[in-house]
Amino acid sequence: TQLLEQSPQFLSIQEGENLTVYCNSSSVFSSLQWYRQEPGEGPVLLVTVVTGGEVKKLKRLTFQFGDARKDSSLHITAAQPGDTGLYLCAGPGGTSYGKLTFGQGTILTVHP
Amino acid sequence: EAQVTQNPRYLITVTGKKLTVTCSQNMNHEYMSWYRQDPGLGLRQIYYSMNVEVTDKGDVPEGYKVSRKEKRNFPLILESPSPNQTSLYFCASSRTASSGNTIYFGEGSWLTVV
Repeated sequence: TQLLEQSPQFLSIQEGENLTVYCNSSSVFSSLQWYRQEPGEGPVLLVTVVTGGEVKKLKRLTFQFGDARKDSSLHITAAQPGDTGLYLCAGPGGTSYGKLTFGQGTILTVHP
Repeated sequence: EAQVTQNPRYLITVTGKKLTVTCSQNMNHEYMSWYRQDPGLGLRQIYYSMNVEVTDKGDVPEGYKVSRKEKRNFPLILESPSPNQTSLYFCASSRTASSGNTIYFGEGSWLTVV
């Protein structure tokens, strides 16, 4: 099984600050996805990155896929309380088609 | 509305009493999957199904069974639940298993085994 390590595990910041969440692996991934999960709900897909070096923007969120396709980052600019939630990265879990592996998640709290 | 529906949402049961968590999707998706979510461990895949009558083990299949007799349904069966299966369970579906497809998750089922 290919492993994904996320850091930090917890992040508590004030509204307006910037932050970056990292998702790292020793394995190469064909693609990586980022999800956000709010309490009492299932994860919701934010973005999929498939090309090494790719950068995708979603309003104040910027996602980057590493050149070697072993890591990804999520950067949030001017965080708002509505960004509070659990952020998860995920990727195909190895040689078995259909397996999906998730990072441990980053719990983000943005204080007003 | 595109939906993945799980039932029950909340369940407290006793050790050894068989239970089934149902999952249904209305998007005609081929791929369905079950995950459990535990603090500090993220989501771990239990079983997945590429299509009707095709199922395979994920990373943590021990103690669970699944079946896929119809495209829309993918029930998770705990034949003899134990306290270490206390967890939050998610069912998910996507058009196919290809990476890059959007995966839709249900709202989750909280299971407590005492």
